[in-house]
Amino acid sequence: DGGITQSPKYLFRKEGQNVTLSCEQNLNHDAMYWYRQDPGQGLRLIYYSQIVNDFQKGDIAEGYSVSREKKESFPLTVTSAQKNPTAFYLCASTRQISGANVLTFGAGSRLTVL
Amino acid sequence: EDKVVQSPLSLVVHEGDTVTLNCSYEVTNFRSLLWYKQEKKAPTFLFMLTSSGIEKKSGRLSSILDKKELFSILNITATQTGDSAVYLCAVEINSDYKLTFGKGTLLTVNP
Repeated sequence: DGGITQSPKYLFRKEGQNVTLSCEQNLNHDAMYWYRQDPGQGLRLIYYSQIVNDFQKGDIAEGYSVSREKKESFPLTVTSAQKNPTAFYLCASTRQISGANVLTFGAGSRLTVL
Repeated sequence: EDKVVQSPLSLVVHEGDTVTLNCSYEVTNFRSLLWYKQEKKAPTFLFMLTSSGIEKKSGRLSSILDKKELFSILNITATQTGDSAVYLCAVEINSDYKLTFGKGTLLTVNP
């Protein structure tokens, strides 16, 4: 089945460590996204990429980095510069329906900083 | 700054009740408004609205958009415990691929 796979589902890290979250899609979608979700905050956009080897900052990019070397993959690195990294991270890609972009989400990765 | 505001933030009802969830927005170059349901993990797509006044329906769920007043509603009739979830509203801007999300409405349906 086509879909978006995020790993790991749960991750613990100590303060000061970098961590990379994986996101892979086999939907042949061009655009991919990373969102962060905190309780009561909804989804906030971290980074997005419309094509391979290109990406743009979202609303809360500080302390994060991404790469897009392959169409299928869009890993997110949470660096030690991110002051409050404990959150639920969602990766998504888009398909077009009637000219509008509809996001398809992965199951998420929950990061806890100890 | 683009804004999407959902209300109420949380709602508790009994099975069989009808609920209306609200989403208002202030964005430049509106393109579409989307509703998602999030139960445990991944949000799942419900509706995409682009034109005013045209109701989208799927079973007991329906949604409509008012582009003049800049809001949308999501109705759920004869609610069931399986409708318990966070309902997210998102607006797409015309000039790029970004979606701006509201904070969501947490709906709890009690038996």
